[in-house]
Amino acid sequence: RKEVEQDPGPFNVPEGATVAFNCTYSNSASQSFFWYRQDCRKEPKLLMSVYSSGNEDGRFTAQLNRASQYISLLIRDSKLSDSATYLCVVNKGGANNLFFGTGTRLTVIP
Amino acid sequence: GAGVSQSPSNKVTEKGKDVELRCDPISGHTALYWYRQRLGQGLEFLIYFQGNSAPDKSGLPSDRFSAERTGESVSTLTIQRTQQEDSAVYLCASPPPEGLHSGQYFGPGTRLTVT
Repeated sequence: RKEVEQDPGPFNVPEGATVAFNCTYSNSASQSFFWYRQDCRKEPKLLMSVYSSGNEDGRFTAQLNRASQYISLLIRDSKLSDSATYLCVVNKGGANNLFFGTGTRLTVIP
Repeated sequence: GAGVSQSPSNKVTEKGKDVELRCDPISGHTALYWYRQRLGQGLEFLIYFQGNSAPDKSGLPSDRFSAERTGESVSTLTIQRTQQEDSAVYLCASPPPEGLHSGQYFGPGTRLTVT
């Protein structure tokens, strides 16, 4: 089983829609969680960390469910500029235990 | 500079040639990682450096791959006798000094094409 699994999509949504992605992780000892955004032919960039209590940054909300071992990303009022691949990243702790999902591709349609 | 830089940005090479990729990390970031991302795929860990400690080479796919870093400065990833399956984007990253729980900062990558 992969350390981190994501639905690859693509998710095609109209502007203004709300869209949610889930990501599951296999190791219950995982310590920290992130969502990254990767634009086409660009490097991944940190979008937000995911805290146990859930956190929100503008139109973006991230949540962690430790019992079911998944994290989620909710995007409200989608913009064309939100079109990208969203990578789920899990840190199991220690210096070299960072695992990347293969990403979920989002396209926001005018 | 303000971020991680990598060079070259693009490299086209013939099968069998050696290539050297360079990463300049953020000043003060002691850890440095190399990843590979094939087209449409996720990131594959290659190698990890932390200060002057022995690097973690567990992700290197074959003995054709090697990397060096002197202290906390520039790192070079070398691929010898390149093969077509080496074609990918090679990304360098460093976490801030407080560690991985603060995320990773990636360079723009080197896009390697082996013909």
